[in-house]
Amino acid sequence: KAGVTQTPRYLIKTRGQQVTLSCSPISGHRSVSWYQQTPGQGLQFLFEYFSETQRNKGNFPGRFSGRQFSNSRSEMNVSTLELGDSALYLCASSSLQGGDYEQYFGPGTRLTVT
Amino acid sequence: DQQVKQNSPSLSVQEGRISILNCDYTNSMFDYFLWYKKYPAEGPTFLISISSIKDKNEDGRFTVFLNKSAKHLSLHIVPSQPGDSAVYFCAASAGGLQGAQKLVFGQGTRLTINP
Repeated sequence: KAGVTQTPRYLIKTRGQQVTLSCSPISGHRSVSWYQQTPGQGLQFLFEYFSETQRNKGNFPGRFSGRQFSNSRSEMNVSTLELGDSALYLCASSSLQGGDYEQYFGPGTRLTVT
Repeated sequence: DQQVKQNSPSLSVQEGRISILNCDYTNSMFDYFLWYKKYPAEGPTFLISISSIKDKNEDGRFTVFLNKSAKHLSLHIVPSQPGDSAVYFCAASAGGLQGAQKLVFGQGTRLTINP
């Protein structure tokens, strides 16, 4: 099975612009979660989509939004970029295997805001 | 409010010995716990998980132990290999399967395996 894929891998944007990141989950996984990783705050949960609906949400401003398509692929959008949005954005998909919950991450998109 | 804590920022272990990584949590509602390994500029790699109804789970060289009364879990790696050198994160979630995707991560422990 192919793993979680994310595009693009690297992105450079300027303040005030908006950006869209894409994620394809592992085949058969219906849940897609997004995380932000920064040196200061570590890994922080942004939101999760299941069957095209946002099911869980972290504590991020409304500039961060997402959506999920019928094929489970997901996109994350950040509007009005700020310097502090520079981070590694990770997407994950999850499954339940024999009673054990497993969540697999993609390689991430490194966003740099200048 | 750090709900998941990895109090050791780094750990150094000799190759072939046991590595023990520790994690403490404060939220008694956590019901799934996961361990990840991470290299720089890559996404975390899932290692092993455990649900709160168990106290031990094994997968090859990796074993996770959960002590609910102490709100403590640990990851044992036996035997340790040079390729195990990485940053290890523990993560936890609450809310059953529906909330399981909202993982709360610890700050990580850098494990170095010395030859």
